[in-house]
Amino acid sequence: ETGVTQTPRHLVMGMTNKKSLKCEQHLGHNAMYWYKQSAKKPLELMFVYSLEERVENNSVPSRFSPECPNSSHLFLHLHTLQPEDSALYLCASSHGTGQETQYFGPGTRLLVL
Amino acid sequence: GNSVTQMEGPVTLSEEAFLTINCTYTATGYPSLFWYVQYPGEGLQLLLKATKADDKGSNKGFEATYRKETTSFHLEKGSVQVSDSAVYFCALLSYGQNFVFGPGTRLSVLP
Repeated sequence: ETGVTQTPRHLVMGMTNKKSLKCEQHLGHNAMYWYKQSAKKPLELMFVYSLEERVENNSVPSRFSPECPNSSHLFLHLHTLQPEDSALYLCASSHGTGQETQYFGPGTRLLVL
Repeated sequence: GNSVTQMEGPVTLSEEAFLTINCTYTATGYPSLFWYVQYPGEGLQLLLKATKADDKGSNKGFEATYRKETTSFHLEKGSVQVSDSAVYFCALLSYGQNFVFGPGTRLSVLP
């Protein structure tokens, strides 16, 4: 248990669906992250939030829309996804965005049909 | 830019064998170095870290020493167990930059 929880753990959706992934951290951290982990590819950083403001967006398609309402919660809203978006989506948090250790949640395994 | 190279495996060992997973890096400045482990069906867990040259990180019998002269951070364990079967990621973090992860090394330990 790392103090970072993610729901749901598994999600199957069609290409026309809209769904949201949720991440919550109980560590008092100020920075939160979304990563995508696909088979046979390195971890890809998608979004970085620091103090609830987005500080980085690594050329992620607009069908992924993040939301950070407060420093403990992070969402990833999904709409009109493609089958190649199927992956494990990992949330992480850290105390700051300097040189801080990141703590990861268990991930949401997403399958897009 | 910063990068991490590690042996991709898979690595298959018998229980109680000695483990080494090599990791080398390229970075400007003085990065912190990490090993994360991912057990089947789970997210990444911090295994150990080192923040400056010659530091040794250790946890659960695993060790890695930050070698600036060889830009390496090899992971070692003297006697692996079946429960150590997982994917191991080497990573580095420079101040003000994002984490850079290696591709991961899958370890399978057979009874």
